[in-house]
Amino acid sequence: ETGVTQTPRHLVMGMTNKKSLKCEQHLGHNAMYWYKQSAKKPLELMFVYSLEERVENNSVPSRFSPECPNSSHLFLHLHTLQPEDSALYLCASSQEGQGEYTFGSGTRLTVV
Amino acid sequence: RKEVEQDPGPFNVPEGATVAFNCTYSNSASQSFFWYRQDCRKEPKLLMSVYSSGNEDGRFTAQLNRASQYISLLIRDSKLSDSATYLCVVNMRGGNTPLVFGKGTRLSVIA
Repeated sequence: ETGVTQTPRHLVMGMTNKKSLKCEQHLGHNAMYWYKQSAKKPLELMFVYSLEERVENNSVPSRFSPECPNSSHLFLHLHTLQPEDSALYLCASSQEGQGEYTFGSGTRLTVV
Repeated sequence: RKEVEQDPGPFNVPEGATVAFNCTYSNSASQSFFWYRQDCRKEPKLLMSVYSSGNEDGRFTAQLNRASQYISLLIRDSKLSDSATYLCVVNMRGGNTPLVFGKGTRLSVIA
């Protein structure tokens, strides 16, 4: 596989559920990102990992918990989400400091 | 003032038209600039970087005006396949800081 792969593509979850989003990159990049894209809003940066270390947490509620076990994998653990958390969650990777981000196809999350 | 501001559109233009998108950014210390393209229900993809001297890639021309904190994208001879949302993207703080995305400008090219 090449590029950035995200699973699942679609997810519907109840407010009391716990689920995880997975991202995998095969580009040899050393930085990975989680972005949230809601309707009529710009992409919002959630978390940044550089060399497997979290370097930015953009005031994201604790019901979102990232995990980066190695430079190729990134997870976003979800628990007790709210309906307003419904959005497209995009993972991206890059070489640190470079402006070319490669995005995954995203997970379209619906919280019911 | 929003960090990266774009006219949301939509811009509806006929095939063959020339269309220009503008973008302003709030931080005068911003270091690097890009245009990304996002097709409907797809992920964003890098279209081109924007250099101080201006740069061209086929039908696409990007310009940067640091004094006015303004970036533009010009598309000549529009094709149906150019229909997408165009995102203005800025590295606000330089170095390894993450990119900041504008809301995007939606373009529809009509036959």
